[in-house]
Amino acid sequence: ETGVTQTPRHLVMGMTNKKSLKCEQHLGHNAMYWYKQSAKKPLELMFVYNFKEQTENNSVPSRFSPECPNSSHLFLHLHTLQPEDSALYLCASSQDGEAGNTIYFGEGSWLTVV
Amino acid sequence: AQSVTQLDSHVSVSEGTPVLLRCNYSSSYSPSLFWYVQHPNKGLQLLLKYTSAATLVKGINGFEAEFKKSETSFHLTKPSAHMSDAAEYFCVVSDRQKDSNYQLIWGAGTKLIIKP
Repeated sequence: ETGVTQTPRHLVMGMTNKKSLKCEQHLGHNAMYWYKQSAKKPLELMFVYNFKEQTENNSVPSRFSPECPNSSHLFLHLHTLQPEDSALYLCASSQDGEAGNTIYFGEGSWLTVV
Repeated sequence: AQSVTQLDSHVSVSEGTPVLLRCNYSSSYSPSLFWYVQHPNKGLQLLLKYTSAATLVKGINGFEAEFKKSETSFHLTKPSAHMSDAAEYFCVVSDRQKDSNYQLIWGAGTKLIIKP
């Protein structure tokens, strides 16, 4: 139990579907992240939210749309995805200002696009 | 520019023997360093971290790492491997940028294989 909960754990969706990944952190942190982990590729930072404001968007395609309604919740809305978007999507949180900016990860959401 | 190099993509040891996973980094400022572990089909778990306190850091599951500034290394060790240690391990550097934001630089990962 890391204090960061992701749902669903597994998702299979067609290329025309619209779905969302949800993340909730119970650590009182003020920064949240979406990472993408694909097989045989380095971990990719997608989005960063700090105090609910998006502070980083690493050239992520618009078919991925993040939403951060408050500092405890983060969503990743998915629409018209491609098969190459199949990956493990990891949510993480941290406390801005904490030494070293330690980030804590959820268990991940396995996404398969068919 | 900051970077992290994990020198081995795979390390294979026998159960009960020592583990050494190597990590070298380059950093412009005083970095913080982390090791994360990822078991099959799981998320990333923090194993240990160095943030400018004691240079020998103890983590969970019997792992420890030593920060050596002169060698720019942060190698992960464990005296005796257990089958449950089979996983992928990531070395991470956190550097404070000029705008006071932190940037995390991830190593490519080392897969640890434990032979019975």
